Amino acid sequence: EAGVAQSPRYKIIEKRQSVAFWCNPISGHATLYWYQQILGQGPKLLIQFQNNGVVDDSQLPKDRFSAERLKGVDSTLKIQPAKLEDSAVYLCASSLDSGGEQFFGPGTRLTVL
Amino acid sequence: GQQLNQSPQSMFIQEGEDVSMNCTSSSIFNTWLWYKQDPGEGPVLLIALYKAGELTSNGRLTAQFGITRKDSFLNISASIPSDVGIYFCAGHESGGSNYKLTFGKGTLLTVNP
Repeated sequence: EAGVAQSPRYKIIEKRQSVAFWCNPISGHATLYWYQQILGQGPKLLIQFQNNGVVDDSQLPKDRFSAERLKGVDSTLKIQPAKLEDSAVYLCASSLDSGGEQFFGPGTRLTVL
Repeated sequence: GQQLNQSPQSMFIQEGEDVSMNCTSSSIFNTWLWYKQDPGEGPVLLIALYKAGELTSNGRLTAQFGITRKDSFLNISASIPSDVGIYFCAGHESGGSNYKLTFGKGTLLTVNP
């Protein structure tokens, strides 16, 4: 069974630029999560989708971050404009349903210069 | 938001030694989970605990859900070099919605062959 796929694996941008990350969850998983993991910290949930609807985006900095899962499968996370403090690994995870075991992708390492 | 206090921050041990790490919170958790993260990868679930007092093993790993529901520990016996990585505790807070996972800051384990 294929795992959670993410791309790109690495991205370097300058502050104020825009960036987008893509996630393809495990087939059949209804719930998709985006986490931000700053160096030396545990993952912090940014947004949770159930199918194509947002369940929790309380920790998403909505002035610059946006995410969508239009068809209830793939998802994109966008940052516009990026700040230095956005440098982190962005992890995507999916589960069969809310409360189920979460399977994580390898992450996208973002460096903002 | 809720924070989990994970200790120690890092450990440097000799191959064959046993390891213990723990996690505490100021509020009650319904679920305790232990993850391992290798460099460049997402976290992988090691053990899940669902009931206060529950003691669960997975090979050389043993974890317990504290009876107060505010703490958990993970033990690794007879460590081997491939145990190297960052170990995270995580949990679902009682009364929380959407099965939101809160992570600790991690314990970096180094095993000297």
